[in-house]
Amino acid sequence: GAVVSQHPSWVICKSGTSVKIECRSLDFQATTMFWYRQFPKQSLMLMATSNEGSKATYEQGVEKDKFLINHASLTLSTLTVTSAHPEDSSFYICSAGQGATNYGYTFGSGTRLTVV
Amino acid sequence: DAKTTQPPSMDCAEGRAANLPCNHSTISGNEYVYWYRQIHSQGPQYIIHGLKNNETNEMASLIITEDRKSSTLILPHATLRDTAVYYCIVRRYNNNDMRFGAGTRLTVKP
Repeated sequence: GAVVSQHPSWVICKSGTSVKIECRSLDFQATTMFWYRQFPKQSLMLMATSNEGSKATYEQGVEKDKFLINHASLTLSTLTVTSAHPEDSSFYICSAGQGATNYGYTFGSGTRLTVV
Repeated sequence: DAKTTQPPSMDCAEGRAANLPCNHSTISGNEYVYWYRQIHSQGPQYIIHGLKNNETNEMASLIITEDRKSSTLILPHATLRDTAVYYCIVRRYNNNDMRFGAGTRLTVKP
């Protein structure tokens, strides 16, 4: 079945630095990728939707200049958390699909970001 | 997309069937019901989806009421590894995104 690889699985960074998270579709071309954030004991919150070759669409309240999303190819999307602060510490999850279908999307295994 | 309501938590004995309910009373005719689960510190895993007919796969069965206002996910023989948060999501066929509610935390006990 479809596999989405997310890297790194965990990262610790210093406050003020930037962190890049990669999301790759391994055996299919993903025209659409999604980025979620999940705080402890909470549900997944959709941050943004990215379509290959175009700008990402951010959800209300998500700062596009802080969470930079690049979907430069049909198999790779990246999320860069710029000038990270401790409150950005969270579990970040990506998902990918082949466009709007009646099937769901495949999720990555997530990235645990800790900002110290 | 229609909103869903699920109980926050449920317990189930190992080996017994786990029946997880979901209410989606405002569902529209072109909206599907999806179920995902999330085991601790992992990404969500697709389980099953359906429109109006009952569905079954190797993981679970999905029972959708005739009026489509509610559904039940059935894990026929729950194991300890089925302990997870289960999310019921209603989504239009041509809608791109997948939005999660609070889900049901299922705990399978020995």
